[in-house]
Amino acid sequence: DTEVTQTPKHLVMGMTNKKSLKCEQHMGHRAMYWYKQKAKKPPELMFVYSYEKLSINESVPSRFSPECPNSSLLNLHLHALQPEDSALYLCASSQVEGGLHNEQFFGPGTRLTVL
Amino acid sequence: GESVGLHLPTLSVQEGDNSIINCAYSNSASDYFIWYKQESGKGPQFIIDIRSNMDKRQGQRVTVLLNKTVKHLSLQIAATQPGDSAVYFCAETMINAGGTSYGKLTFGQGTILTVHP
Repeated sequence: DTEVTQTPKHLVMGMTNKKSLKCEQHMGHRAMYWYKQKAKKPPELMFVYSYEKLSINESVPSRFSPECPNSSLLNLHLHALQPEDSALYLCASSQVEGGLHNEQFFGPGTRLTVL
Repeated sequence: GESVGLHLPTLSVQEGDNSIINCAYSNSASDYFIWYKQESGKGPQFIIDIRSNMDKRQGQRVTVLLNKTVKHLSLQIAATQPGDSAVYFCAETMINAGGTSYGKLTFGQGTILTVHP
């Protein structure tokens, strides 16, 4: 299995809702990432997990809460989002060798719309 | 702050031509660079990477050139095909003095490549 899967593909939520995005990989990668991508813009890093521990938080608002239950799964819990949070949320994973994070493999993303 | 950017936001070529996509980076400490291709409705797809101890790397139909003197990166696609039409991003990261990369990848703004049959 050489892919990163993300569910759901599309999500519409209100500002008072609580929802979660899910990401899964079975490539044995020990680093996983969340990115946010607005239309016609490059992906922007949000969080990095390395060996199931949060290693980077790019000053992301607390209404986004990441979780890494095990080495294959990565969740992003959403609560009290704003309409400007509408974007494509991308998950990625990479192998870690000797401390080096190798090339990142991306999932197809979840298209999130906040009403 | 420092950033990775692209000279040309759009590039149109005829099928069969060679394409060159350019990227300028300003962080002189960057030492690992990756090119990604993103098709509409999909996540970025890894194309090729290069470390700063190299100035050229070749893959299948693609070549990446790195000029550290002027902090410039380019992606060359040979015999461009309609299926190559996509947005191309360069991305950079840094391996710190301890030899550990934390995976903090910074993307450039992207170039839209359109290949006409």
